[in-house]
Amino acid sequence: GENVEQHPSTLSVQEGDSAVIKCTYSDSASNYFPWYKQELGKRPQLIIDIRSNVGEKKDQRIAVTLNKTAKHFSLHITETQPEDSAVYFCAASTGTASKLTFGTGTRLQVTL
Amino acid sequence: NAGVTQTPKFRVLKTGQSMTLLCAQDMNHEYMYWYRQDPGMGLRLIHYSVGEGTTAKGEVPDGYNVSRLKKQNFLLGLESAAPSQTSVYFCASRTGHSQLFEAFFGQGTRLTVV
Repeated sequence: GENVEQHPSTLSVQEGDSAVIKCTYSDSASNYFPWYKQELGKRPQLIIDIRSNVGEKKDQRIAVTLNKTAKHFSLHITETQPEDSAVYFCAASTGTASKLTFGTGTRLQVTL
Repeated sequence: NAGVTQTPKFRVLKTGQSMTLLCAQDMNHEYMYWYRQDPGMGLRLIHYSVGEGTTAKGEVPDGYNVSRLKKQNFLLGLESAAPSQTSVYFCASRTGHSQLFEAFFGQGTRLTVV
């Protein structure tokens, strides 16, 4: 089955700096790569996603890049703000049931 | 439009007790999933369903059973709870349309087995 590795497990940045979280996946048939943000005690919320026929996607301060050859994708957050502090999960979707396999999460702390 | 709703939100069980977690979605989604979330391990797929009357095993199915008798409901059962099943459980659903992949999550159920 699919295996998704995510790094780093924790990330601390100063407000205004950029943050980058990286994930690799194992199944070349995976075709959809979402990123979820989870605040303490809350449900995961989709923040951005990318399909396998696209190399990059941007939404305001958030961008995701995908390298299908190397089987890795990354989340980029620019001009970080304290409200960006949360746990971020990457995932890869495979098969007709589009089962999501998640990375182990990155705890992002944005300090003032 | 409530989205995905899980019942209950919290539960404490004694070892060996049984319980059922209910997931209900009002978006007419075909696919539904049950995940468990443990510290440092992300979300792991327990069971999933691609339509009414169908279920399949995920990554960590042992000790759990599921049923999807109605399209809008996906039930997760623990027949004999064990402390290792202490976790936060999330249900998710998504449409079966091939171009729409977003999965919507319920608010979670925090289960403690003592």
